[in-house]
Amino acid sequence: DVKVTQSSRYLVKRTGEKVFLECVQDMDHENMFWYRQDPGLGLRLIYFSYDVKMKEKGDIPEGYSVSREKKERFSLILESASTNQTSMYLCASSLWAPRGERAFFGQGTRLTVV
Amino acid sequence: DQQVKQNSPSLSVQEGRISILNCDYTNSMFDYFLWYKKYPAEGPTFLISISSIKDKNEDGRFTVFLNKSAKHLSLHIVPSQPGDSAVYFCAANLPEETSGSRLTFGEGTQLTVNP
Repeated sequence: DVKVTQSSRYLVKRTGEKVFLECVQDMDHENMFWYRQDPGLGLRLIYFSYDVKMKEKGDIPEGYSVSREKKERFSLILESASTNQTSMYLCASSLWAPRGERAFFGQGTRLTVV
Repeated sequence: DQQVKQNSPSLSVQEGRISILNCDYTNSMFDYFLWYKKYPAEGPTFLISISSIKDKNEDGRFTVFLNKSAKHLSLHIVPSQPGDSAVYFCAANLPEETSGSRLTFGEGTQLTVNP
């Protein structure tokens, strides 16, 4: 079974802190994604990466950056955390495919910015 | 601009009856549709999918129907069980030249199956 592991289940950070969310997958998937889930808004794509050192902006990239130095690891960085970034963050990975390929999700990180 | 919409935030059904979850989309370039199920404090898990060239896909108690002309899909669960209680997300894939797949999700529908 594919395993996508996020480094923390729960995090509490202060406004202005730099925050790192780490994600590792063990199935050699090309694609990796970061989403945030908020009530009534569903899952919104922040950034994704289809190859090492490649990154693409999703629908809501403002206030975030990402890093993919190795194929299995995809990091989400909040440069200066703000209270409106309090959310559930979900990492996912998938195979590259010309047509849709299902994504596998990690367990999520509940981030609270105070 | 919400390209994938689930207009019902919640749905409550009796155990043993049919659950029907609906999803509408606006982008005719979507080529693949998926349903995910999510329990609290867990990541979403894949449930069932359908290609845009089909109109129905079935897997056990779960069936997904696609009406391309109406840009509408639905998930049927028969019979519904209490363990099906979860948030259900509809997702649509937009083909990308470089990345190959990028999913857009709806807002989710909370399904509650009452014993």
